[in-house]
Amino acid sequence: DAGVIQSPRHEVTEMGQEVTLRCKPISGHNSLFWYRQTMMRGLELLIYFNNNVPIDDSGMPEDRFSAKMPNASFSTLKIQPSEPRDSAVYFCASSFDRDEKLFFGSGTQLSVL
Amino acid sequence: GESVGLHLPTLSVQEGDNSIINCAYSNSASDYFIWYKQESGKGPQFIIDIRSNMDKRQGQRVTVLLNKTVKHLSLQIAATQPGDSAVYFCAENMRPEAGKSTFGDGTTLTVKP
Repeated sequence: DAGVIQSPRHEVTEMGQEVTLRCKPISGHNSLFWYRQTMMRGLELLIYFNNNVPIDDSGMPEDRFSAKMPNASFSTLKIQPSEPRDSAVYFCASSFDRDEKLFFGSGTQLSVL
Repeated sequence: GESVGLHLPTLSVQEGDNSIINCAYSNSASDYFIWYKQESGKGPQFIIDIRSNMDKRQGQRVTVLLNKTVKHLSLQIAATQPGDSAVYFCAENMRPEAGKSTFGDGTTLTVKP
């Protein structure tokens, strides 16, 4: 299995631009999670899906952030407009069920200038 | 070598020594706990897990101990190797949303040859 695949690996953009991060979970997993990691706040859960349905988005910082999961093999996290404080590593993770350990992708390093 | 909770985020040990990484979790209702290892530039990787009906679980060179009375979790690594150098996170989960992990701050383990 290829594991959780995230793209792009690195993203550098200017303040105000739209950013879209992509994730392909492990085949057969039915839960998908988006996390953000910073030095100041550590790993924070932004949103998670179960069977393609958003279950909890209470971690999404503000309306500038949105996430979708149109099918079981693809999810996006969008930031519009982006701000410098959004700079972080964004991880996507999947699990076989809500009651299982997480498998993380390699992350997207986002820098907003 | 041993770390004390999340207040000492670094631990340095000699190759071949045993390492003990500690974690104080916050929610007494948490019933599933996981240790993750994160190497530089990568996403967290599952090491070992334990459910609340157990107080000890062993893997290959790793042992997790759970003390629910004082809400304490520890990870023991036997015969620590340079490849064990990484940041280690504990995560706590509570059913029914057990996949919605709350991560600790992390402990950086450095193994000196």
